[in-house]
Amino acid sequence: KNEVEQSPQNLTAQEGEFITINCSYSVGISALHWLQQHPGGGIVSLFMLSSGKKKHGRLIATINIQEKHSSLHITASHPRDSAVYICAVYGGATNKLIFGTGTLLAVQP
Amino acid sequence: DAGVIQSPRHEVTEMGQEVTLRCKPISGHDYLFWYRQTMMRGLELLIYFNNNVPIDDSGMPEDRFSAKMPNASFSTLKIQPSEPRDSAVYFCASSSSGGAREQYFGPGTRLTVT
Repeated sequence: KNEVEQSPQNLTAQEGEFITINCSYSVGISALHWLQQHPGGGIVSLFMLSSGKKKHGRLIATINIQEKHSSLHITASHPRDSAVYICAVYGGATNKLIFGTGTLLAVQP
Repeated sequence: DAGVIQSPRHEVTEMGQEVTLRCKPISGHDYLFWYRQTMMRGLELLIYFNNNVPIDDSGMPEDRFSAKMPNASFSTLKIQPSEPRDSAVYFCASSSSGGAREQYFGPGTRLTVT
């Protein structure tokens, strides 16, 4: 079993829909990263959080440390949101990220 | 700042050849990470440096791989000799000091070994 699990692995949505991507982890963490990768593209950091909730534009990330769970929400989804979304955690007091396998999102017009 | 810079962006080489990938971290960042991404295994940490010193190289697959950071603004990842199974996208990332800090990724180098 992976230390960081994401669901769903693949997600297809219609433009305008509200999207949720989930991340569960089994290790103690100091922080969690949400990353975005467009096809054939580089990796962009969306959020890093260790508690509560963060919002940036149409993106919202939440984390529940007790339940070892984080969610990434996209409101009013758009085709340009189509990408792979990767959850990664800093396990304990380390500088090493442990990566989930990613969620491939396709938003259709 | 220009962000993390990697070169080359694409590299095609024949099996047995030496490959050198280069990375320039964001100025002022004292952590540098090398990752490899494949379809089968996703993103894997190969090695990371702090203040130019290698801290953890447990992810380096074998002796064919080596990494150096001669100064704060430059790092190399070398594969010698290269093999087809080394084909992947190699990312460099940097972050500022202390604990869990946000990492900034370079655009990656797509390596194809034929």
